[in-house]
Amino acid sequence: QLVESGGGLVKPGGSLRLSCAASGFTFSDYYISWIRQSPGRGLEWISYISGASTTYFYADSVKGRFTISRDNAENSLYLQMSSLRAEDTAVYYCARGAPRYMDVWGRGTTVTVSS
Amino acid sequence: EIVMTQSPATLSVSPGESATLSCRASQSVGSNLAWYQQKPGQAPRLLIYGASTRATGIPARFSGSGSGTEFTLTISTLQSEDSAVYYCQQYNNWPPLTFGGGTKVEIK
Repeated sequence: QLVESGGGLVKPGGSLRLSCAASGFTFSDYYISWIRQSPGRGLEWISYISGASTTYFYADSVKGRFTISRDNAENSLYLQMSSLRAEDTAVYYCARGAPRYMDVWGRGTTVTVSS
Repeated sequence: EIVMTQSPATLSVSPGESATLSCRASQSVGSNLAWYQQKPGQAPRLLIYGASTRATGIPARFSGSGSGTEFTLTISTLQSEDSAVYYCQQYNNWPPLTFGGGTKVEIK
């Protein structure tokens, strides 16, 4: 399973680091994605990273502001978010699988960007 | 970027009937299409991948078809627990992976 944490309320321009803890599978064998969902933008894939951290991609909407990383020894995935904007307000999910379908999802963590 | 368009936005179906959901891609995605089910307050759950292969544990009443740009998710013998929003997602041309806007299935 996957369990996200680290969400909260942050002011515009601020930073936040999300975490995703994995269990029940060999974490290092899988690409993992971050996907977010907001009422206005639906489901939006924002980033993924390969098992060995050698490959990663970002959506244009977050490129240059968000950084994905992982620690396979800790079975953990991270998303460092900076220069946050109101439109980054969403539920953030980590999900196993990319660049294909995602077969295991966490329950999500909520990020609210507001002054 | 491939744009995924789902229709209808909302579908109201009686228990025991079938529901047919459509997903259209702005360009061919081959068979690289997945369907997800999302209930309120829950994460999406993978139903179908490869356009027609059911994910582990998914009941046989869920079936997917199509290729190229036109895809269909059929839910036969609809049950009350099938009330949810259904999303399609392409993984043929990436990045980015893209999702449709969803179809809400309501049970009459």
